[in-house]
Amino acid sequence: EPEVTQTPSHQVTQMGQEVILRCVPISNHLYFYWYRQILGQKVEFLVSFYNNEISEKSEIFDDQFSVERPDGSNFTLKIRSTKLEDSAMYFCASARGRRASYGYTFGSGTRLTVV
Amino acid sequence: AQRVTQPEKLLSVFKGAPVELKCNYSYSGSPELFWYVQYSRQRLQLLLRHISRESIKGFTADLNKGETSFHLKKPFAQEEDSAMYYCALSGTQGGSEKLVFGKGTKLTVNP
Repeated sequence: EPEVTQTPSHQVTQMGQEVILRCVPISNHLYFYWYRQILGQKVEFLVSFYNNEISEKSEIFDDQFSVERPDGSNFTLKIRSTKLEDSAMYFCASARGRRASYGYTFGSGTRLTVV
Repeated sequence: AQRVTQPEKLLSVFKGAPVELKCNYSYSGSPELFWYVQYSRQRLQLLLRHISRESIKGFTADLNKGETSFHLKKPFAQEEDSAMYYCALSGTQGGSEKLVFGKGTKLTVNP
């Protein structure tokens, strides 16, 4: 069964540093998403991406965040200047269609620890 | 505002017992409801969606619009059902496609 692959599985970074989280979505999927889960809290939507542009973003997704699909296969989330509160599990997901009813396929996540 | 509430953080049952994981939602319209499951150290997986009216691994969930609930049920729990279960909602208005998740319920099925 096709999978969404995320790398690295765990990243530790110093506050103020830039990080790039990488995702390889399923090859025939067109819609891409980032979600995050702070420890002990709910999974929260960050951003959706389609046709090389952001289609929706949450209030969490401020100017320090950006997404890119640089080469047609990878989908990246960049955090420009990390803060302690960015420590969380970050999940990438992809889907064939726009509606959530198509069913997202999630990656196994990247645990980001900001120290 | 869209909101999903899972009142139980932890739920523990014995193997063979019925299990019900509660989910209530708030949405001013007709939402789409989902259950996602996360087994230990694995990724979030779609378990079922209300529009399909399906039964997956013996689990069912009925959307009750009057009570704004989408409880997940299984008549006879198995040890392999132990996992985190997340109820999620997707709005059908305004073009939003995001999923709004509840905080999750950790189900433990004891032998």
